[in-house]
Amino acid sequence: QSVLTQPPSASETPGQRVTISCSGSSSNIGTNTVNWYRQLPGTAPKLLIYDTNQRPSGVPDRFSGSKSGTSASLAISGLQSEDEADYYCAARDDSLNGVVFGGGTKLTVL
Amino acid sequence: EVQLVESGGGLVQPGGSLRLSCAASGFSFSSFFMSCVRQAPGKGLEWVATIKQDASEKYYVDSVKGRFIISRDNAQNSVHLQMNSLRGEDTAVYYCVRGGRSHYDYWGQGTLVTVSS
Repeated sequence: QSVLTQPPSASETPGQRVTISCSGSSSNIGTNTVNWYRQLPGTAPKLLIYDTNQRPSGVPDRFSGSKSGTSASLAISGLQSEDEADYYCAARDDSLNGVVFGGGTKLTVL
Repeated sequence: EVQLVESGGGLVQPGGSLRLSCAASGFSFSSFFMSCVRQAPGKGLEWVATIKQDASEKYYVDSVKGRFIISRDNAQNSVHLQMNSLRGEDTAVYYCVRGGRSHYDYWGQGTLVTVSS
């Protein structure tokens, strides 16, 4: 049972927009920034969004992040087949004095 | 180019010990927090430990406190994870990552630790 809650799966057709949610609490998302990671099959995760809504160099603007209260979201527009991957949210948790991850969302591009 | 290369994984019996190492290059190692994140087979990501730049502060997930020790050698640009009293639930790919507070901008390729008799 992960501290941050994500839907286990999501799907959408190419070219469309999909949103992945990440629900937490006041001790994590409510007070800290959120980071998002993408993991392609058989590879190490890669930072996708940092500080809730910032994109690292090289990440296209099709990817965007946001936060409201104790929930965060990752939006992917103009879906491409290569976006099929597992997506994870993460945040520092002040009560646990550590970092918590969501359980991950497997995105399927139909 | 930033590189993080893990080593030291393998098969170990329950109750045994293993020491993972991570060799860093391509950046000013002593300027960054370093962390370890693991992923059990077919499961999600789990933060394990973080060490501050000068090793003055170390943080651990509750499940490994008292069993794992994270350390670093800034002269050798390396970070280590000493894992003792290993359990089956510690079986995972262990990633060396640059950063702390959930912002991990570079990841190693991971090293597999299997705890089994």
